[in-house]
Amino acid sequence: DAGVIQSPRHEVTEMGQEVTLRCKPISGHDYLFWYRQTMMRGLELLIYFNNNVPIDDSGMPEDRFSAKMPNASFSTLKIQPSEPRDSAVYFCASSLDRGLRGTDTQYFGPGTRLTVL
Amino acid sequence: KNEVEQSPQNLTAQEGEFITINCSYSVGISALHWLQQHPGGGIVSLFMLSSGKKKHGRLIATINIQEKHSSLHITASHPRDSAVYICAVRTPKVAGNQFYFGTGTSLTVIP
Repeated sequence: DAGVIQSPRHEVTEMGQEVTLRCKPISGHDYLFWYRQTMMRGLELLIYFNNNVPIDDSGMPEDRFSAKMPNASFSTLKIQPSEPRDSAVYFCASSLDRGLRGTDTQYFGPGTRLTVL
Repeated sequence: KNEVEQSPQNLTAQEGEFITINCSYSVGISALHWLQQHPGGGIVSLFMLSSGKKKHGRLIATINIQEKHSSLHITASHPRDSAVYICAVRTPKVAGNQFYFGTGTSLTVIP
């Protein structure tokens, strides 16, 4: 398996622009997580899905952030409009549901480094 | 106050040394994760614990639920172990889970 795939790996954009980050989880995994990592705040969970359904989005910072999972093999995290403080590395992770309700080992993608100028 | 505290924040060791990284948490948890982040940024999940002890190669993770404490041990450390180690806990909510993360321990192993 190719592991969790994220695209793009790097994104540079200007304030006010829309940014879309993409994630392909490991095939067969039931859970998908979106994280953000910054120097100031460390790693933060933004939102996670179970079987394509958002379970907890309490970590999403603002209404400018939205995430979708239209099918089991694809998810997007959108920021509109982007702001310089959104600059961070965004990680996607997936895990298999073995009855542990999302606490099982997570497999991380390589991350997308976002810079908003 | 952070729900998850790690110590030390930074650690430098000589190759071959036994290393311990500690994680204390203040919330009731269902599971605890140890993550490893390499200098290049990639994150690897090392362990998921809900009780007891797990071992994988030179890595050992233990958890004491009563004391709300977990440790990650590395035996015979090697320069390739140099990374940031992050402790994360999952607490149950009425709907879904809540995850809290430590700020990480930066480990440097010197040849």
